[in-house]
Amino acid sequence: NAGVTQTPKFQVLKTGQSMTLQCAQDMNHEYMSWYRQDPGMGLRLIHYSVGAGITDQGEVPNGYNVSRSTTEDFPLRLLSAAPSQTSVYFCASSYSGGGRSSYGYTFGSGTRLTVV
Amino acid sequence: SQQGEEDPQALSIQEGENATMNCSYKTSINNLQWYRQNSGRGLVHLILIRSNEREKHSGRLRVTLDTSKKSSSLLITASRAADTASYFCATEPGSGGSNYKLTFGKGTLLTVNP
Repeated sequence: NAGVTQTPKFQVLKTGQSMTLQCAQDMNHEYMSWYRQDPGMGLRLIHYSVGAGITDQGEVPNGYNVSRSTTEDFPLRLLSAAPSQTSVYFCASSYSGGGRSSYGYTFGSGTRLTVV
Repeated sequence: SQQGEEDPQALSIQEGENATMNCSYKTSINNLQWYRQNSGRGLVHLILIRSNEREKHSGRLRVTLDTSKKSSSLLITASRAADTASYFCATEPGSGGSNYKLTFGKGTLLTVNP
């Protein structure tokens, strides 16, 4: 049981490049989400999904796209990287969200992204 | 915008002492959760308390919730050096279309000195 797996762990991009951060979970969780963590800012929600085929925006969605074609995978796409997107990105999943959580969220180990 | 705010921002104690961290939030919630993050690692879920609960225990952790004051506290008893980490509170909203958005505070950095 691997939990939530994020790849890559580290990435350096040039301004304007695009890339996809991968997130996969093997717990059959219906709810998945992406956060970014910046110093002094805590975690901010980028996008989330309540099930395959359903996604919605969080607090800071600009510059990011997501899709959810399967229950297991929830990739985050940076369309045209900017230095302001330098951050640590975390993927999280939960058996259920929307106030029905009983067990909290399981987080991946993060992707540290630097945009130069 | 941040829903929860932890207090203090940083806390330094000696091993064996108790550590208390507080969290305040702004809007109605369904539940409040506490997470721990070791340096350079992902977050680990510690405990979840629902809006109709007032206190919950898990091992050396004790969480209280006061919905009238929109606040929660996390008590770690008999702290150990291994408890050194950042602690975050997070809330799930009580109603409306945004009730899938788990919102985090900025965290309390706890240092337990041996």
